Amino acid sequence: QVQLVQSGAEVKRPGASVKVSCKASGYTFTNYYMHWVRQAPGQGLEWMGRFNPNTGGTNSAQKFQGRFTMPTDTSITTAYMELINLTPDDTAVYFCAREDADNYVATLDYWGQGTPVTVSA
Amino acid sequence: DIQMTQSPTSLSAAVGDRVTITCRASQSIGNYLNWYQQKVGEAPKLLIYGASTLQNGVPSRFSGSGSGTDFTLTINSLQPEDLATYYCQQSYISWTFGQGTKVEIK
Repeated sequence: QVQLVQSGAEVKRPGASVKVSCKASGYTFTNYYMHWVRQAPGQGLEWMGRFNPNTGGTNSAQKFQGRFTMPTDTSITTAYMELINLTPDDTAVYFCAREDADNYVATLDYWGQGTPVTVSA
Repeated sequence: DIQMTQSPTSLSAAVGDRVTITCRASQSIGNYLNWYQQKVGEAPKLLIYGASTLQNGVPSRFSGSGSGTDFTLTINSLQPEDLATYYCQQSYISWTFGQGTKVEIK
């Protein structure tokens, strides 16, 4: 069965960077885009970007451009989310999610369990 | 950027009630609209895609409708396990979520 298992909680100082991992299993990793979505405490879902493991292509929300990357190691079917120059506003739970484009509308059909990231001095 | 606006922000309904949540896009998105359910402490779960198609395994009391800019999620006969926040999401241009609608049980 499809599984996305994320790394554990992180606590960072302002100005630091964070790298969250998402280990995929149960499907052909390079056949599906991987997305990153975050959720600040008590807030809604915010789309950050997506990565194509087959081509290396990326799309990201404008507000994160220049500060957010999605390195991937296809040999171990693991996607990463790296965010630099952290501020307290980056405190959130970060989710990876697989894009299913097999239907006529792309969806996020499988999600990781979420990784809490706390940014505090 | 396409903005997605949901209403209401929250609602309270009794078990067995019919619940309706609306989602409006800032420009036409055809039927590139999905709905997700998120329970407290969990990851979101896909409910409906393409505005009206039920994801496998989702109870038939959930339904979706709409196209263009206006969409609706309906829960017929609300159940206690439907306590959650519901999000619409467009994938017509980039990806955007609505701000969410919290459903509480009276």
